Amino acid sequence: GEDVEQSLFLSVREGDSSVINCTYTDSSSTYLYWYKQEPGAGLQLLTYIFSNMDMKQDQRLTVLLNKKDKHLSLRIADTQTGDSAIYFCAERSGTASKLTFGTGTRLQVTL
Amino acid sequence: DTGVSQDPRHKITKRGQNVTFRCDPISEHNRLYWYRQTLGQGPEFLTYFQNEAQLEKSRLLSDRFSAERPKGSFSTLEIQRTEQGDSAMYLCASSFSEPGQGDGYTFGSGTRLTVV
Repeated sequence: GEDVEQSLFLSVREGDSSVINCTYTDSSSTYLYWYKQEPGAGLQLLTYIFSNMDMKQDQRLTVLLNKKDKHLSLRIADTQTGDSAIYFCAERSGTASKLTFGTGTRLQVTL
Repeated sequence: DTGVSQDPRHKITKRGQNVTFRCDPISEHNRLYWYRQTLGQGPEFLTYFQNEAQLEKSRLLSDRFSAERPKGSFSTLEIQRTEQGDSAMYLCASSFSEPGQGDGYTFGSGTRLTVV
């Protein structure tokens, strides 16, 4: 079955760049997503990338996809304290509707 | 439209009781999803509807769980004879499926269930 893995924790200083990594196993992934979850809240879609792309930029966010290695990353430029949250990587397989989520990476932004 | 609404936000119930949660999706969205999230984990898929049809159910959805989406609008998720292992955040999401688009979901804030 599909499996999505992320490191558990990342700490960065305010103003630095954050890079959150994700690996997945499903070779038929069509879309890959990044979601943000703040305490007590649902998940907020940040961005997504189609599997035939290798990069997508959206303001402070840059997504890189290495399909050969099944590796996805999210770079947040100029990280702010408001970026502190849990970030989930998710993948959609083929034409399926369901998403498979990773366990999440907790990003802590320090002053 | 203010997004996906879930009710209640919190529910504490005794083991063995039945509970029902409600989700109101974004009105123009034709797909509705239920996920379950336990502490320290990512959301796990439970089931989804396209309009009023329930098209897929996870093996996580035991026979104590039932979901409905009458008339293709709001949805309910019922858990019968709750067990302590049912304690989790139940998340609802909706989307509008469009070919060639990412079909990213909009999630609600979730219903946190505690079974004591």
